Amino acid sequence: GNSVTQMEGPVTLSEEAFLTINCTYTATGYPSLFWYVQYPGEGLQLLLKATKADDKGSNKGFEATYRKETTSFHLEKGSVQVSDSAVYFCALPKAAGNKLTFGGGTRVLVKP
Amino acid sequence: GAVVSQHPSRVICKSGTSVKIECRSLDFQATTMFWYRQFPKKSLMLMATSNEGSKATYEQGVEKDKFLINHASLTLSTLTVTSAHPEDSSFYICSAYPGPQETQYFGPGTRLLVL
Repeated sequence: GNSVTQMEGPVTLSEEAFLTINCTYTATGYPSLFWYVQYPGEGLQLLLKATKADDKGSNKGFEATYRKETTSFHLEKGSVQVSDSAVYFCALPKAAGNKLTFGGGTRVLVKP
Repeated sequence: GAVVSQHPSRVICKSGTSVKIECRSLDFQATTMFWYRQFPKKSLMLMATSNEGSKATYEQGVEKDKFLINHASLTLSTLTVTSAHPEDSSFYICSAYPGPQETQYFGPGTRLLVL
């Protein structure tokens, strides 16, 4: 089945720094790719998604481009804020169907 | 739109008791809901897939008699942790799936502490 690997954290940054979280995948075909964010004590929220190769998902200043050549979907933000402190999960469908498989999560801490 | 609620948000119970957690899709219908368990600082572990009007499908290693799932309507699924023990303490998250070409929408989670 499909799988995803993302960089381990924690990642500690200062405000206004550039953030990159690496995510690579193995998959049959070209499934949709997702980034979810989990703020402390809360459930997951969909941050962005891309449904086909070369698509760029974007939301709240975050971007990720679906790159089939490198089987990657790295998450980037040019200038982080303290409020971006959270755990970020890369995800894709497990196989055909609607189950998702998640990466291990990357904890990001932004300091003022 | 696409809001999913969970109730309760936190629950503390004594060992041996049963706890019911509700997951509701507030503004859409979901034929499929998922239940996850998350350990501290870990990723989500899919426990089961809940299908409206039929039996839940459990992932390997998840005890179906321990974690009872009922999907009574297109907007409500419940997870009952039966005879809870301290090792069942965890963060339980549900998600609701509206249908093809959609993603899952997650609830805010329920933190269970079994004493």
